[in-house]
Amino acid sequence: DSGVTQTPKHLITATGQRVTLRCSPRSGDLSVYWYQQSLDQGLQFLIQYYNGEERAKGNILERFSAQQFPDLHSELNLSSLELGDSALYFCASSPGLAGGFQETQYFGPGTRLLVL
Amino acid sequence: AQKVTQAQTEISVVEKEDVTLDCVYETRDTTYYLFWYKQPPSGELVFLIRRNSFDEQNEISGRYSWNFQKSTSSFNFTITASQVVDSAVYFCALRLLGSTSGTYKYIFGTGTRLKVLA
Repeated sequence: DSGVTQTPKHLITATGQRVTLRCSPRSGDLSVYWYQQSLDQGLQFLIQYYNGEERAKGNILERFSAQQFPDLHSELNLSSLELGDSALYFCASSPGLAGGFQETQYFGPGTRLLVL
Repeated sequence: AQKVTQAQTEISVVEKEDVTLDCVYETRDTTYYLFWYKQPPSGELVFLIRRNSFDEQNEISGRYSWNFQKSTSSFNFTITASQVVDSAVYFCALRLLGSTSGTYKYIFGTGTRLKVLA
């Protein structure tokens, strides 16, 4: 058990809808990362937050947004969903920032999203 | 071009054999990071190692070792005395600074599926 929790585990929704994925980092970790894994695109980094602030962006679509709250949990919002958004969404946390020595990332179990 | 190639799609070994997973990357950037991740059949991702482009020291962690060679743009991963629990998909990744401030570009390889047979 990595100590990172993600809810829900599974989500089935329809095209055009909006969903929110939630991530609780390990106790004490300040960084949260979001990744997407799909059959078409493979693994992709979406975004990173550190202590409430966005610190790095990857291949995140404009239809997607994220935030990190004062209690350090993070939410990934996916809107105007398309079939191609079906994927496994992973959250990871680390004690420090990307590039720093405290960057060992601990991954949650993922949320499997199916858009019908 | 920026690319990560894991040419071995699938490898099968018998328990206790040593196995090396290849990772070749392409970038013109001088500053970058390389990663290895493991994804066992249960599906979760496990971070294994991060190496920056200025640190060519090889690393050993138990049965795992990594060989980083800038001259050949390779970051290979060796498992010594493999075990059934090592069966997983292993991903190599390259992280670069993005073109816009505050962005990163992660390039993941397509993964190598390792099957360790008892």
